[in-house]
Amino acid sequence: EAQLLESGGGMVQPGESLRLSCAASGFTFSDYGMSWARQAPGMGLEWVSSIDMSGTYTYYSDSVRGRFTISKDSSKNRLYLQMDSLRVDDTAVFYCAKSKSGGWDAIDRWGQGTLVTVSS
Amino acid sequence: QLVVTQSPSASASLGASVKLTCTLSSGHSNFAIAWHQQQPGKGPRFLMDLNNDGSHTKGDGIPDRFSGSSSGAERYLTISSLQSEDEADYYCQSWGTGYHVVFGGGTKLTVL
Repeated sequence: EAQLLESGGGMVQPGESLRLSCAASGFTFSDYGMSWARQAPGMGLEWVSSIDMSGTYTYYSDSVRGRFTISKDSSKNRLYLQMDSLRVDDTAVFYCAKSKSGGWDAIDRWGQGTLVTVSS
Repeated sequence: QLVVTQSPSASASLGASVKLTCTLSSGHSNFAIAWHQQQPGKGPRFLMDLNNDGSHTKGDGIPDRFSGSSSGAERYLTISSLQSEDEADYYCQSWGTGYHVVFGGGTKLTVL
């Protein structure tokens, strides 16, 4: 069974950086596209970034483009999200998510989430 | 631009059925979607993906009480024999080249 486990969340001050990691198991990581989504307190799900199976193509929401970088290391079965220049409105639970295919598709597995708090 | 619209809230009685709606924006009526459930305090859970012809594939362990259907630009999630644990937020997700991943605003389902 596919499993995703996020780590790396925490509390930082505005302008600081944080790197999230997602450990994948139970499936061939290199065969699937992956995404990060987030959920601010009391709000709905928001797509953040996606990467295709090969790691060649990456895409970002307008709200994080230029500040966040998604990457995947298939040798380690890990997905990453490097978050720079963090802002107060980046405060959210961040979820790692697996696509049903190598590209853009239904998300068919979610991690449990990791909380990022940006506050002075 | 691909936009996915959901009603903010719905309610139904214990043991009854409820039908939640997800509406795709103009020009995208043939797009597939996925339904996700988020119970209070938990992460999201994939329920099913749903094509424009109504065919759907459910996730692991999803009960038969959950089913999907389509009509035009609308995608539906029907939950029958409602149980207390079905009280949750339900999100619609779509995708496509150039759109990547798009979420609806979610529907909060209350089981009375």
